[in-house]
Amino acid sequence: DADVTQTPRNRITKTGKRIMLECSQTKGHDRMYWYRQDPGLGLRLIYYSFDVKDINKGEISDGYSVSRQAQAKFSLSLESAIPNQTALYFCATSATGTVASDTQYFGPGTRLTVL
Amino acid sequence: LAKTTQPISMDSYEGQEVNITCSHNNIATNDYITWYQQFPSQGPRFIIQGYKTKVTNEVASLFIPADRKSSTLSLPRVSLSDTAVYYCLVGDLRDTNAGKSTFGDGTTLTVKP
Repeated sequence: DADVTQTPRNRITKTGKRIMLECSQTKGHDRMYWYRQDPGLGLRLIYYSFDVKDINKGEISDGYSVSRQAQAKFSLSLESAIPNQTALYFCATSATGTVASDTQYFGPGTRLTVL
Repeated sequence: LAKTTQPISMDSYEGQEVNITCSHNNIATNDYITWYQQFPSQGPRFIIQGYKTKVTNEVASLFIPADRKSSTLSLPRVSLSDTAVYYCLVGDLRDTNAGKSTFGDGTTLTVKP
């Protein structure tokens, strides 16, 4: 079984709809992240969480919200989807360790299309 | 915020050594350099990480000069399965500095037979 899972894997929705993307991990990591990737570009950080009570905005948080329901679960919501939110979304986790930059483990991605 | 610059694409042939350089002029003292590999429609996968000088593991080497303003990922004897996008990430994921890590746009490596 995969350590980091994302649901759904593909989603097509319409402008104005609310949509939630879910991420679950079995690695026991405290830290979880949501990234967005547009075609031909790198990943941009949307939100991150260092524990259940911690939520932080990343580079491009406008139009998105998150919920950390448990250590293992981190969901991303689009309250009112718009076409330019069409992208590939990745969830990632990392452990709280002694090194300055922890290795991130990524999920398989959710391909979201907003019509 | 340490922005990174990488070549957009590189071509190589099977069996050759490939070196991909990443520029990060504004790297901070606490920043580490991490490289990831990404295949189409998959999440990035960790390759190697370093702070200074040279780091080697079973799949790659990472060379970092003394001024740390650049780094070079070296892939020995590439195969067709190494065709992927390679990302250089510079940042510090510790508490107060998280969110400042930057993925560049990546280098698309194409390995030809």
